[in-house]
Amino acid sequence: NAGVTQTPKFQVLKTGQSMTLQCAQDMNHEYMSWYRQDPGMGLRLIHYSVGAGITDQGEVPNGYNVSRSTTEDFPLRLLSAAPSQTSVYFCASSYDAGATGELFFGEGSRLTVL
Amino acid sequence: EDKVVQSPLSLVVHEGDTVTLNCSYEVTNFRSLLWYKQEKKAPTFLFMLTSSGIEKKSGRLSSILDKKELFSILNITATQTGDSAIYLCAVEALTGNQFYFGTGTSLTVIP
Repeated sequence: NAGVTQTPKFQVLKTGQSMTLQCAQDMNHEYMSWYRQDPGMGLRLIHYSVGAGITDQGEVPNGYNVSRSTTEDFPLRLLSAAPSQTSVYFCASSYDAGATGELFFGEGSRLTVL
Repeated sequence: EDKVVQSPLSLVVHEGDTVTLNCSYEVTNFRSLLWYKQEKKAPTFLFMLTSSGIEKKSGRLSSILDKKELFSILNITATQTGDSAIYLCAVEALTGNQFYFGTGTSLTVIP
């Protein structure tokens, strides 16, 4: 079982460039989410989805877009990267739309914006 | 504003010591509290707590929730160097499908 797979693991961007962080899960989880982790800030929710075709904003959504066209995939798009978006990004999924139970995390994507 | 506060922020102990990590929360429509251990990569699940006063145990780790006072503790007995990690507390809200994370406690166990 692959679980939650994130790509790429590392990325360096220049200010203003765009990119997409990919997240895929093979557990048939309805709930998927993106977090960023910064020193001293813990994990902060960017966007989440409770099922295909449904997305919503979390605590820090500015500068990021998401879509959920399938149950398996939940990509995170940075349209115009800024140095403030330098962070470690985690995708996480959970069993049902009520988000009960534990979150399953991907291994993280370290993004540096110069 | 919903928030989760963990203390201490960091802790250095010697092998064999017992540690207690704290997590307090103010979250509307509480559903569950979860503890995670994060070493170099992704957080890994430790416990999920939904009811007050019922201790969850796994080996040397145990945790309990107090829904009246809005806090949880994570105890680690006979610590080992492999326990060195960041321990994260998260609270799940019934509404909004959101998990609120604390900043974590960084534990270092010295041989």
